[in-house]
Amino acid sequence: GQNIDQPTEMTATEGAIVQINCTYQTSGFNGLFWYQQHAGEAPTFLSYNVLDGLEEKGRFSSFLSRSKGYSYLLLKELQMKDSASYLCAVIDSNYQLIWGAGTKLIIKP
Amino acid sequence: GAVVSQHPSWVICKSGTSVKIECRSLDFQATTMFWYRQFPKQSLMLMATSNEGSKATYEQGVEKDKFLINHASLTLSTLTVTSAHPEDSSFYICSARGQGDHEQYFGPGTRLTVT
Repeated sequence: GQNIDQPTEMTATEGAIVQINCTYQTSGFNGLFWYQQHAGEAPTFLSYNVLDGLEEKGRFSSFLSRSKGYSYLLLKELQMKDSASYLCAVIDSNYQLIWGAGTKLIIKP
Repeated sequence: GAVVSQHPSWVICKSGTSVKIECRSLDFQATTMFWYRQFPKQSLMLMATSNEGSKATYEQGVEKDKFLINHASLTLSTLTVTSAHPEDSSFYICSARGQGDHEQYFGPGTRLTVT
């Protein structure tokens, strides 16, 4: 079966750095997304990785290792508004998007 | 660019009635549209995938006669919840993808409450 694992919840302090991990086992791989979702709102795109390595975009970076079936989202200089759920999703060989359950990130002052 | 709208944003209906939700791609042609449902504190659950001009492909466990999906044009898809029940109350989100694109662009979602 297809499976994406990410922690259910994480807590971090304002101004700090947090890394949210995602591991996946899917039938094929055509890319990995990270989305941010605030409560009661639709997901918003953060990053897309299809090749191994680190993609940096401002305070957010995303890393991918295809051989390990592993990705992480790194958030720097955390702000209170970063409190949200972070969803990892993988495009499989049929170009279907397989979703993780999401990681709820709680930022404390 | 790549804006997707949904209408209505929220709707309250009585049990047994039908509700139609519209999903529009405003500035691109969406060859594929996806409908998701999300219950509180849970992740997105894909309900169906529709390609323009074709019948929708429903995920296992989703009743196609209850959740009618139409994707008649490259910019509009509709989801009709027929004979709604309180357990259908949820957050319904559509997303759209253009030809050759890998990213799905999400609409803002529709919150349905069935009383």
